[in-house]
Formats: sequence, C-alpha cells, structure tokens
Amino acid sequence: DQQVKQNSPSLSVQEGRISILNCDYTNSMFDYFLWYKKYPAEGPTFLISISSIKDKNEDGRFTVFLNKSAKHLSLHIVPSQPGDSAVYFCAASPASGTYKYIFGTGTRLKVLA
Amino acid sequence: EAGVTQSPTHLIKTRGQQATLRCSPISGHTSVYWYQQALGLGLQFLLWYDEGEERNRGNFPPRFSGRQFPNYSSELNVNALELEDSALYLCASSLGYGSPGGFGNSPLHFGNGTRLTVT
Repeated sequence: DQQVKQNSPSLSVQEGRISILNCDYTNSMFDYFLWYKKYPAEGPTFLISISSIKDKNEDGRFTVFLNKSAKHLSLHIVPSQPGDSAVYFCAASPASGTYKYIFGTGTRLKVLA
Repeated sequence: EAGVTQSPTHLIKTRGQQATLRCSPISGHTSVYWYQQALGLGLQFLLWYDEGEERNRGNFPPRFSGRQFPNYSSELNVNALELEDSALYLCASSLGYGSPGGFGNSPLHFGNGTRLTVT
C-alpha cells in the first residue's frame, strides 16, 4: 500500500524554466510534508517542508504547495539550474502516533543546460 | 555542526552471514531512523529509535533489528542475510519526541548511507 506516490519517475526541464514535481498521498492523517533531494552516493538532503495549516511555503527558488482536499502537494523550482539535477523525494508524516515518515518512490529531475 | 555519520560506507557479506551497520546522529538529536533503499525503489522505513527505545518498525522481518545507545548512536543488525537485502541503508536523525516545537515538525537529516552487498 503506497501511501505516498510520485507518479512521474522522471522529468526533464530546460535551464531557467520552472520544474514542477508532484506528489499524491492517500492518508488523511498526514499533516506534515517534506521534500528531499538526493544525489548519487549521498544521503537525501532536506529541502523544504510544509504543515497542513498552510497551503504554501517558500524558500528561495523552492516553493511547496499543498492541496489538502486533493491530497496533493507539489514542489516548484524557479529558475531551474543544472545543479538541481537529482532525485527528489516527497515524504509525509502524521501529526501524532507513529511519527513514521513515509517516502514516495522519487522523481529524477534532469535540468538541461 | 557535524552531520549524521554512518559506517562502514560499503559492506560486502555472503548469504547467511550477519551485518552490523552504525550511525551517529547530529548532536542534540535523540531520534534515529533507519531506511532501506533497494535498487530502483524508494526509501522503505525500517526502524525508529528515540531516547534508547524502539518506537516503531516497518514491515520487515525480525532478522532486521537494532538498538540505540545512551549517546543516541545506533546500530542496525541484519541476521541471516539474503540476496535481496542488498541495498543502500540510510540512517537519519531528528529532534526527539519530547522536543519543544513539536516533534512532528522536525525534518529528518540523513547520512550518506551504507551500501550493503550480499553475494
């Protein structure tokens, strides 16, 4: 049962354009969401998070949008840079209980110079 | 601030052997998580330790076990290794359960992982 889904395994974007990575979840108890970036041979690096009391959180070139009714979140990267090429994972956690962060399967972003 | 450190970087074992993986969390973090990333798959939750206790475990057989020491470092043990245990094992740390500000809002910080190969 994949509670956090990233349906696009890969995405290619031209340098300078917007990258939009999507994530869907099924568990309505999730209320804290995170995005991570992973380069080969390294551990995932925390990028940005959002709690369910917000619908948008921005940090520099990275913005996360949360649509609770649709159980959908997205990560926007503007402008995209070649160094952004990596695998991006979304993750979700419930407010209480297990504190088990559930990760999606990842989307490989390639930013073309 | 030193990040999460894991050792060894690579580990090669044969089927049936035992593997021990180690993790040191970021200073001040009392929660340690273990994840498995098999080839082509996402991060699968293995174990969560907080304040020395196992708080939760994922859908893995009992031969996956671990512990957390008084200094909050942790080790993951995998007994009776099988070929499908070959994966990248990632350790992460975060602020603990009783931290002010709400545990649920504490992101995980990952180490670079241990690549376990079972032959």
